[in-house]
Amino acid sequence: EPEVTQTPSHQVTQMGQEVILRCVPISNHLYFYWYRQILGQKVEFLVSFYNNEISEKSEIFDDQFSVERPDGSNFTLKIRSTKLEDSAMYFCATSGQAFSGNTIYFGEGSWLTVV
Amino acid sequence: GNSVTQMEGPVTLSEEAFLTINCTYTATGYPSLFWYVQYPGEGLQLLLKATKADDKGSNKGFEATYRKETTSFHLEKGSVQVSDSAVYFCALRLGAGSYQLTFGKGTKLSVIP
Repeated sequence: EPEVTQTPSHQVTQMGQEVILRCVPISNHLYFYWYRQILGQKVEFLVSFYNNEISEKSEIFDDQFSVERPDGSNFTLKIRSTKLEDSAMYFCATSGQAFSGNTIYFGEGSWLTVV
Repeated sequence: GNSVTQMEGPVTLSEEAFLTINCTYTATGYPSLFWYVQYPGEGLQLLLKATKADDKGSNKGFEATYRKETTSFHLEKGSVQVSDSAVYFCALRLGAGSYQLTFGKGTKLSVIP
């Protein structure tokens, strides 16, 4: 079974600090995503990324968020100045294609706690 | 907009009981439908999917049928086990330029021996 790998598994940060969450996608996948799940709430879409650019983003993904593939393998989510309400589980996900029936594979998530 | 509505949890069942978790959706096009499962301390795993009307997805004894007329994708299992205890998420994906999955709130299932 192919795997999406995320680091760190848990991070505690002070409000206002920058955080970078990292993801190693499945090797032949071309589409990358970030989702988040605030405790007790729905899993929410943040952003999708293809061909080194953002292809779709939600209202949650404002100017404090950014994504990149710095070395052609890792896929990162940066939060520039964290807020208390950014505390959530952040899931990286990848897929081989974009059509609706194609499976999206999720990593195990990175717990972010902002204090 | 697109949305997924799942039955409220938590659901507690005895081992070998029959499971149904209801899921209905609202979508502007013709979505693909998915059930994901999240075991304690783990990430989301695809359980099953269906890409068009009347398709039945199945895996590990779980089944769900894509019902376009009732916009539903209910999850069923004939005999649950303790190891099925997890949170189950129904989700849809439109494609056609939209890459995202839209999730329901999740239903927590606890199976007791």
